Amino acid sequence: GDSVTQMEGPVTLSEEAFLTINCTYTATGYPSLFWYVQYPGEGLQLLLKATKADDKGSNKGFEATYRKETTSFHLEKGSVQVSDSAVYFCALNDRGSTLGRLYFGRGTQLTVWP
Amino acid sequence: NAGVTQTPKFQVLKTGQSMTLQCAQDMNHNSMYWYRQDPGMGLRLIYYSASEGTTDKGEVPNGYNVSRLNKREFSLRLESAAPSQTSVYFCASREGAIYGYTFGSGTRLTVV
Repeated sequence: GDSVTQMEGPVTLSEEAFLTINCTYTATGYPSLFWYVQYPGEGLQLLLKATKADDKGSNKGFEATYRKETTSFHLEKGSVQVSDSAVYFCALNDRGSTLGRLYFGRGTQLTVWP
Repeated sequence: NAGVTQTPKFQVLKTGQSMTLQCAQDMNHNSMYWYRQDPGMGLRLIYYSASEGTTDKGEVPNGYNVSRLNKREFSLRLESAAPSQTSVYFCASREGAIYGYTFGSGTRLTVV
């Protein structure tokens, strides 16, 4: 079945450090891929998405490239800020499925220190 | 502001009590979902509704029921609450297969 595996946290970085959060997926069809962010006490917000192979999603300095050959969608940011501290979730949707649900990874807690 | 509205934000129940979590979206989305979030478990799908008038079970439906009242509203009911249902509950909606979800801000439920 469809599934998402993302690196376990917590991840702790200093401000302006480079961030990578790994995400790999298993899907039977042709998935769309997403990264969501959850700030403390809030719901999940869509950070970026990619709908086909080699697409790059980007938002707020974050980027992720849909790599079909390695079934990966790693999240990167060149210089993190304290305000980026949050939990990050990788997710996929199999567009060929009639069920229409998203499959989420377990989340990666990021803490950025000044 | 357009989005998904959940009520209540916080609730404490005694074991065996019942309650309904409300969810409404004003984006004219067809699909709506209920998830629970537990530490170390990520998000698990309880029930979903692909369109008005249809509902289906997700990964963890036991102990819950849902109603898709109309296109806007999708409620989740706990008939007899158990401590294992202590969790944060999120409602979400989506426009179509290539789009992500829009989430509500969640309901933090504690069952004692």
